[in-house]
Amino acid sequence: GENVEQHPSTLSVQEGDSAVIKCTYSDSASNYFPWYKQELGKGPQLIIDIRSNVGEKKDQRIAVTLNKTAKHFSLHITETQPEDSAVYFCAASTNFGNEKLTFGTGTRLTIIP
Amino acid sequence: DTGVSQDPRHKITKRGQNVTFRCDPISEHNRLYWYRQTLGQGPEFLTYFQNEAQLEKSRLLSDRFSAERPKGSFSTLEIQRTEQGDSAMYLCASSSAGLTDTQYFGPGTRLTVL
Repeated sequence: GENVEQHPSTLSVQEGDSAVIKCTYSDSASNYFPWYKQELGKGPQLIIDIRSNVGEKKDQRIAVTLNKTAKHFSLHITETQPEDSAVYFCAASTNFGNEKLTFGTGTRLTIIP
Repeated sequence: DTGVSQDPRHKITKRGQNVTFRCDPISEHNRLYWYRQTLGQGPEFLTYFQNEAQLEKSRLLSDRFSAERPKGSFSTLEIQRTEQGDSAMYLCASSSAGLTDTQYFGPGTRLTVL
C-alpha cells in the first residue's frame, strides 16, 4: 500500500519568513495530493491540493509543488503569520481523491512573532 | 453551517463497554469516510461508503468495529468491547464523488477508554 513520509516533524520560523514542508510517497499510482491544516481540538482543514497533471499550484501565500519522477511534493508558505501556527499534514490518494487518503505524520509549525 | 458534524465530541468509557459515534456529512455528499487519529500521528483510514454501500475496510478495522450508513445520509461507527488501545480521535469526512474530490473533515470524536 501507499506510504507517505513527511519532514520535518517540527519547524519554527520567524514571522514574515517562509516555511517549507516536504513529503514523499511510494505508490506511483497516486495522483492526488492534498495538504491539511489542523488546529488543536479541530478536524483537518484542506488548505491546498494538487493533481498529478499539474506541477505547481499557488493560492495567495501558499503554494504546492509536485515532482512525479522523484515522488515528492512540497508545501511552501510565504510571509508567515502567527495564525499559520498549526500542525500540517500531507496526504496522497489514487483516483483523484475518490479513494482513501494516506497521510504523513505531520509537521508542527510554530511562527515566532 | 453545513459542514460535517460529529456527535459526541468527547466520549469517556470504561474498558469493555460499547460506544457508538455519529457522523452527518455535508448535504448531498455521497461519499463518507472514517479515519482514526492517535496523538502525534496523521489520520489513518478505517472505512468508506458510497451512498449506503461500504466499499472498503482497512485491516485496522477489527471485528469489534462496525460502521453503517443505512440510508446513504448519516453514518454510525460502533466499537464493541472497547480496549485502551481504542483511545483516539475518530474523524469523519465526506466528499462528492466526481472528477475532483475534496474530503471535508468534521471536528472529530475524542474517545478515551479507561
